[in-house]
Amino acid sequence: QKEVEQDPGPLSVPEGAIVSLNCTYSNSAFQYFMWYRQYSRKGPELLMYTYSSGNKEDGRFTAQVDKSSKYISLFIRDSQPSDSATYLCAMNSADFNKFYFGSGTKLNVKP
Amino acid sequence: DAGVTQSPTHLIKTRGQQVTLRCSPKSGHDTVSWYQQALGQGPQFIFQYYEEEERQRGNFPDRFSGHQFPNYSSELNVNALLLGDSALYLCASSLKADTQYFGPGTRLTVL
Repeated sequence: QKEVEQDPGPLSVPEGAIVSLNCTYSNSAFQYFMWYRQYSRKGPELLMYTYSSGNKEDGRFTAQVDKSSKYISLFIRDSQPSDSATYLCAMNSADFNKFYFGSGTKLNVKP
Repeated sequence: DAGVTQSPTHLIKTRGQQVTLRCSPKSGHDTVSWYQQALGQGPQFIFQYYEEEERQRGNFPDRFSGHQFPNYSSELNVNALLLGDSALYLCASSLKADTQYFGPGTRLTVL
């Protein structure tokens, strides 16, 4: 079993839609949770990071962590064609010195 | 404030050759991690350097080695290149466990 599972998609939505991206994980020691956006052939760009459970909002993006279910989500409101990219979840524990990544979900927002 | 930088951007090598990739971390960061990302996959952890020592290593053969310098910059060396080593190599820097920032990557093609 992989440490982090993420549906690879692709996910295709119309412009303006609300997008929900998700990851599940197996290690209850994970405390730090990150979402990255990666455009084709570029390095991942940090979008949001959260600590432990709860919600965090930044503009059109909301990150949610449910540690009891070992489930994290990224919501994108009013999606734009420029949001078309691959979204990677990542997580870590202060004890691990290592970040664990999902395989990425490819999102396509159609104009 | 410069972000994470990597050089070169692209590299073409032949099987059996050796390659060195370079990374400068984000200002103030002391930890450098290296990842290999194949097309359509999430980043795979190679190793992490802290205080000029390899602190953690992923499931990669000894052909992959690294170094960190006193100024926190780092090199990734790959010996006896195989066709399967063709990938995007990403460097990420961090200061704490809560997040890390990626460079633009070096695209290595092995012919």
